[in-house]
Amino acid sequence: QQQVRQSPQSLTVWEGETAILNCSYEDSTFNYFPWYQQFPGEGPALLISISSVSDKKEDGRFTIFFNKREKKLSLHITDSQPGDSATYFCAASRNTNTGKLTFGDGTVLTVKP
Amino acid sequence: EAAVTQSPRSKVAVTGGKVTLSCHQTNNHDYMYWYRQDTGHGLRLIHYSYVADSTEKGDIPDGYKASRPSQENFSLILELASLSQTAVYFCASSDELAETLYFGSGTRLTVL
Repeated sequence: QQQVRQSPQSLTVWEGETAILNCSYEDSTFNYFPWYQQFPGEGPALLISISSVSDKKEDGRFTIFFNKREKKLSLHITDSQPGDSATYFCAASRNTNTGKLTFGDGTVLTVKP
Repeated sequence: EAAVTQSPRSKVAVTGGKVTLSCHQTNNHDYMYWYRQDTGHGLRLIHYSYVADSTEKGDIPDGYKASRPSQENFSLILELASLSQTAVYFCASSDELAETLYFGSGTRLTVL
């Protein structure tokens, strides 16, 4: 049973639009949720993260919305740019200082100019 | 510049052979990790280490061993490579807060 699920598998938006990437999880003991961005041929890199005590985290054009009751979160990318085209992974951890992450399968985002 | 360097970048191995993947970090981090990525899927934790000379099993440790001879170096060892171990392997490091994992560029392993 997959513990972290992401949807959609792939998403295409036009430059300037808002991309919405969804994530849900099963285990209520998860309390830390980082999003990683991965470009082809590279390792993932941390984009933005949120802990379960918050319901929103914003960093520039990237915002995480978190609904603890429904075990769902979403990543909103406003004013999408072609350079945002990448795979985005939602991950979860039961303890912020272990580095033991459970990843979803990712969403491939394509931003068309 | 701080970095996580993996070698080799790619490798072809034969079934039943021994494979060693190496990772070197200059981040001065105590924590290191090995994750595996299969095509179209997320990463899964194989082994991790919080201090030199000590390693721990992750979520999918079967068929893998790990070695942490120093703070900077962390190796993943496949004693008897199998077809199912074909994947991209990522090494990462973090400080003790582990809020950010810094990943290497990966090693693409193909087992034939």
